[in-house]
Amino acid sequence: GAVVSQHPSWVICKSGTSVKIECRSLDFQATTMFWYRQFPKQSLMLMATSNEGSKATYEQGVEKDKFLINHASLTLSTLTVTSAHPEDSSFYICSARLGLAGGVTDTQYFGPGTRLTVL
Amino acid sequence: QKEVEQDPGPLSVPEGAIVSLNCTYSNSAFQYFMWYRQYSRKGPELLMYTYSSGNKEDGRFTAQVDKSSKYISLFIRDSQPSDSATYLCAMSVSGNEKLTFGTGTRLTIIP
Repeated sequence: GAVVSQHPSWVICKSGTSVKIECRSLDFQATTMFWYRQFPKQSLMLMATSNEGSKATYEQGVEKDKFLINHASLTLSTLTVTSAHPEDSSFYICSARLGLAGGVTDTQYFGPGTRLTVL
Repeated sequence: QKEVEQDPGPLSVPEGAIVSLNCTYSNSAFQYFMWYRQYSRKGPELLMYTYSSGNKEDGRFTAQVDKSSKYISLFIRDSQPSDSATYLCAMSVSGNEKLTFGTGTRLTIIP
């Protein structure tokens, strides 16, 4: 099946530093990838939609200068949390959309997530 | 009012029981409906997706959509301890649009 990986799986950093998270679709090409944020015992909150070769579309309330998204290829998207602060500590999950050949809908497949802790 | 409502639980049932998980929604434009399973500290895993109203069965799982009532369900038969997880419903207007998620229901199957 469609596999999406994320790296790193967890990261601890000091306040003020930047952290980069990679999302890769391993066995398919994804023209669209999504970045979500999830707080404990809460659902996924969409942060941005990333299309290969173009600027990401951010959801309302998400600072695009703080959460930099780059979708350089059909299998790789990166999220950089700039000048991280403790309130940015969260579980960040990406997904990649797989277009089903001949299907009526695209399906999102999720990565395993990256747990970010900012001290 | 949230676009998608889902009882957060927690829900505990004995092994072997039939589990019913539900979501209601307010946007009548939703046409694509999905159920994801998420284990603790892992990313969501797609279980079922359906288009429009009706039932879809896959092994022990059955997804049901009632667009007239704006209500979707996931049934799990012969529940197993390995089914213990958080179940998220998700839906979209078109297949190419972003998903709107429910809050998730935390399910525990008791051996």
